[in-house]
Amino acid sequence: KNEVEQSPQNLTAQEGEFITINCSYSVGISALHWLQQHPGGGIVSLFMLSSGKKKHGRLIATINIQEKHSSLHITASHPRDSAVYICAVGSTGNQFYFGTGTSLTVIP
Amino acid sequence: DGGITQSPKYLFRKEGQNVTLSCEQNLNHDAMYWYRQDPGQGLRLIYYSQIVNDFQKGDIAEGYSVSREKKESFPLTVTSAQKNPTAFYLCASSISGGYGSQETQYFGPGTRLLVL
Repeated sequence: KNEVEQSPQNLTAQEGEFITINCSYSVGISALHWLQQHPGGGIVSLFMLSSGKKKHGRLIATINIQEKHSSLHITASHPRDSAVYICAVGSTGNQFYFGTGTSLTVIP
Repeated sequence: DGGITQSPKYLFRKEGQNVTLSCEQNLNHDAMYWYRQDPGQGLRLIYYSQIVNDFQKGDIAEGYSVSREKKESFPLTVTSAQKNPTAFYLCASSISGGYGSQETQYFGPGTRLLVL
């Protein structure tokens, strides 16, 4: 069993749609990270959070520590949002666990 | 501009050959990491270093070696002992390490290694 599970694996949306990507984890965490991997392969850190909610532009990340669950929302999606979104957790045992990613395609 | 550079972008390896992937950062970060990414799998840690002249094995260190002689540089050698080296390799850094700590990791653009 993977320590970090993401859903869905693949997601196709029409431009303008509201998108939600989910992440569940099974370990105690010090922080949860949302990463974005572009088609060329480079990875950018979007959020790091350990409680509550963070917002950056059209992106919102939430975390529920009791339920061990986090969501990444994209409002008013745009084709440039097309990428792989990766959830990663830094555990209290000083390990880092990565999800397998959600591949998002936004169609104009 | 501060950041992490990796070279080359693509690398071809012949059977039995050792190859070295370069990773350089000018962020003044103490910690550096090497990850391997395979299709359908999450990133897996190969090696990490929290300070110059010190490094630790990650989950899949067999067939790989690293050095950390300078703060800015953390090269990864894929040895002939790595029987399935075809993958995408990502280097990352963070301010002070403590793997799993509450630190953002900054990633390089990656190197794609292919076996001929």
